[in-house]
Amino acid sequence: AIRITQSPSSLSASTGDRVTITCRASQGISSYLAWYQQKPGKAPKLLIYAASTLQSGVPSRFSGSGSGTDFTLTISCLQSEDFATYYCQQYYSYPWTFGQGTKVEIK
Amino acid sequence: EVQLVQSGAEVKKPGESLRISCKGSGYSFTSYWISWVRQMPGKGLEWMGRIDPSDSYTNYSPSFQGHVTISADKSISTAYLQWSSLKASDTAMYYCAISVAARLTSWGQGTLVTVSS
Repeated sequence: AIRITQSPSSLSASTGDRVTITCRASQGISSYLAWYQQKPGKAPKLLIYAASTLQSGVPSRFSGSGSGTDFTLTISCLQSEDFATYYCQQYYSYPWTFGQGTKVEIK
Repeated sequence: EVQLVQSGAEVKKPGESLRISCKGSGYSFTSYWISWVRQMPGKGLEWMGRIDPSDSYTNYSPSFQGHVTISADKSISTAYLQWSSLKASDTAMYYCAISVAARLTSWGQGTLVTVSS
């Protein structure tokens, strides 16, 4: 199975900050990577797919980049509603696998 | 509106069987795969497997193969996740999600399964 290493596991930031989360795949996955946001007690929500394509309805302050093994999710100007846990997921090959998650907390 | 509605929370004893459900609406149920994802308490997301409702073809994660069964009844737009013998370690929240080109675009609200003697 492809392993996805996500970092950091948590971070503290303030509203208005620029935040970057990274995922590294154990082998090349082209651009078959998605990012999800999960708030406490809620189901995850798709933010980005194909590494850099914004899902419909997702604010443009979210962006994704990368291909091959290294990927980045950036939140350009953190808003209060963005405090949540973020996961990446590869869908290049079965079994699909998730990163361990990054919890974005209020500083 | 695309919607997945899951069955309610369950409390079971070890060794018991269980089937939870996920009903789709607002779209053609046979057009998209359904995946199941586990989230153990305080932990991350784990993809368990997926089914193509049009022909019931499945793929499982090796971590779950043989321990759960994914099925679907397209006549009632419902997918299922079932266990024949639950363990305490199956205690978790379980989500179903629509897979569009493999990305998980719409999610159910989750079903909490608690297994305790």
